[in-house]
Amino acid sequence: KNQVEQSPQSLIILEGKNCTLQCNYTVSPFSNLRWYKQDTGRGPVSLTIMTFSENTKSNGRYTATLDADTKQSSLHITASQLSDSASYICVVSPNTNAGKSTFGDGTTLTVKP
Amino acid sequence: NAGVTQTPKFRVLKTGQSMTLLCAQDMNHEYMYWYRQDPGMGLRLIHYSVGEGTTAKGEVPDGYNVSRLKKQNFLLGLESAAPSQTSVYFCASLKTDTQYFGPGTRLTVL
Repeated sequence: KNQVEQSPQSLIILEGKNCTLQCNYTVSPFSNLRWYKQDTGRGPVSLTIMTFSENTKSNGRYTATLDADTKQSSLHITASQLSDSASYICVVSPNTNAGKSTFGDGTTLTVKP
Repeated sequence: NAGVTQTPKFRVLKTGQSMTLLCAQDMNHEYMYWYRQDPGMGLRLIHYSVGEGTTAKGEVPDGYNVSRLKKQNFLLGLESAAPSQTSVYFCASLKTDTQYFGPGTRLTVL
């Protein structure tokens, strides 16, 4: 069964600090891996998307890495801000139309002043 | 360009009632999706569509029906609502591997 496991489940950090969120998956075949940010009460917003041949991608203070051999990904947030408080969701797709995507349960990040 | 919009934002139903959730996108995307999100859980795919006039089942389709009569609209119907369908429903469309999500509909079934 295809699975996406994220850790930690929740995380609290101080403003200005860095943090790393983990995503392990068993989805096969593999087409792409996406990270989304979901603010409370809103729909998810895409942060990054990586295909098999990509091992790092950045979007501002967000940097995602992918190790397709070990089936692991991480999302690193640099110099956190209060607005980074949200749920971060890892999604893995076996094809390009997202119809068979597997969503992780998300990591809830709280940034405190 | 409004992106993906959902109607209504909130709804309370009694068990056995029916309703339709509307999703609209103005980006001319072919692919559209309906998900549900329960507390502490990841999004689960209910149904999806790869183009006008097409629909396909996702992971949790039971109790729901969908229609895609126009490319810009994707409707999700509940024929006989049950308390287990209390959830937040998200619609999304897809272009070039990126999904664009709507703001969600919070549905409570009493």
